[in-house]
Amino acid sequence: QKEVEQNSGPLSVPEGAIASLNCTYSDRVSQSFFWYRQYSGKSPELIMSIYSNGDKEDGRFTAQLNKASQYVSLLIRDSQPSDSATYLCAVRSNNNDMRFGAGTRLTVKP
Amino acid sequence: DVKVTQSSRYLVKRTGEKVFLECVQDMDHENMFWYRQDPGLGLRLIYFSYDVKMKEKGDIPEGYSVSREKKERFSLILESASTNQTSMYLCASSSQPSKNTIYFGEGSWLTVV
Repeated sequence: QKEVEQNSGPLSVPEGAIASLNCTYSDRVSQSFFWYRQYSGKSPELIMSIYSNGDKEDGRFTAQLNKASQYVSLLIRDSQPSDSATYLCAVRSNNNDMRFGAGTRLTVKP
Repeated sequence: DVKVTQSSRYLVKRTGEKVFLECVQDMDHENMFWYRQDPGLGLRLIYFSYDVKMKEKGDIPEGYSVSREKKERFSLILESASTNQTSMYLCASSSQPSKNTIYFGEGSWLTVV
C-alpha cells in the first residue's frame, strides 16, 4: 500500500514565527506533490504543488522536495492566526491516483 | 472556476440501506475520485476513475462500489450501509496529466444508524 506519513501534531507556533510541516512517502515513482489546507468542516484547498527537487516559494509559503529521501515539507513564514488549520500532504503517481497523509493540525497563537 | 458538486450534504441512513452519493464536475475532467475522511485517519482513497466506465480500487474499496456512466458524473454506492461507514465523503476531480491538482466538492456527511 502506498503510504504518506505526516506528524499529526498539534503543532503550535506563536504569531510571526515559522511553521514547519513535514511529510514522507513510500512510493518511489511518485511524480507530483501537493500541500492542501483544510479548515474545520470544510473541504481541502490547494496551497502549493511541487514536482522537482529543491525549493518552491509562493508568498509566505515554501515547499521543499527531496525525492532521494522521499521527503516533502512546507514552511510557513510570518505565521498568522488565520493559518490555523489542518495541513494535508498529498502525493500523486503516474497512474493518477492521489493519496493523502493524515494531516498536521497547526495552531498559530496571537 | 472548477466546480465539483456533491448533491447531498447531510444524510442519515439506516443500517442495511442502499446509499447513493452523487458527484458532478463541470470542467470536463478525466479523473474523478471518492475519499472518506475520518478523524486521525486523514483522507483515504476509496475508488477513482480515469475515464467513463473505468474505475480503479483505492485503499479501502470494501463495502463500496462506483459508477461512471458519463464523464461529468461519478457515483459512490454503499450496497448495504453499516455503522462503520459513518463518515465524511469527499468527491474530487482533476484533468490529465498527473501534475494537475485535484479539486474537491464540499463533502457529504453520512450517518448510518
